[in-house]
Amino acid sequence: AQSVSQHNHHVILSEAASLELGCNYSYGGTVNLFWYVQYPGQHLQLLLKYFSGDPLVKGIKGFEAEFIKSKFSFNLRKPSVQWSDTAEYFCAVNRHSGYALNFGKGTSLLVTP
Amino acid sequence: EAGVAQSPRYKIIEKRQSVAFWCNPISGHATLYWYQQILGQGPKLLIQFQNNGVVDDSQLPKDRFSAERLKGVDSTLKIQPAKLEDSAVYLCASSPPTRLGGELFFGEGSRLTVL
Repeated sequence: AQSVSQHNHHVILSEAASLELGCNYSYGGTVNLFWYVQYPGQHLQLLLKYFSGDPLVKGIKGFEAEFIKSKFSFNLRKPSVQWSDTAEYFCAVNRHSGYALNFGKGTSLLVTP
Repeated sequence: EAGVAQSPRYKIIEKRQSVAFWCNPISGHATLYWYQQILGQGPKLLIQFQNNGVVDDSQLPKDRFSAERLKGVDSTLKIQPAKLEDSAVYLCASSPPTRLGGELFFGEGSRLTVL
């Protein structure tokens, strides 16, 4: 079955620490990949997306993600986190434009001052 | 640009009662989605509309859940009768007519508590 796996459910980091959140998917063929973020009390919003081309994608607020096709992975990274990055992070996949997104279970990130 | 509007934001009902949620997507977005997000899990697709037609409702519990999008714009999701396990946030999302991957835009959600 097609699925999206996020390895870390809860992550606690100190400010200025580096972040890497894992995401693997089990789709065959071409996929579109997304990372969404949900800040406390706010709606889900797009951090970054990959359709094709350069496998290193840059998003908002200093986040980036690398698509590694051979590993079916799309890990999210940030070199130095801030307290304001405290949020839930969701990896999502779809096969084609117009198809619904399939989400992972999410990772809760807490950044301590 | 106005975002995806949902109401009500919060609803508390007893089991076996009914509830309805409303969603107005971003203007011009032909595709509308309803997702269910249970605490501690990622959003799970319930139903997808393209204009006023259903594209995918394979995960919609049709014995108790129904959804409609009569004029291809706003949509209603209904649960009747509700069960305890329906306690969740119901998210509405829409996407524009694009060939470039289909980013979804989400509303703030309707939080349902079933007692």
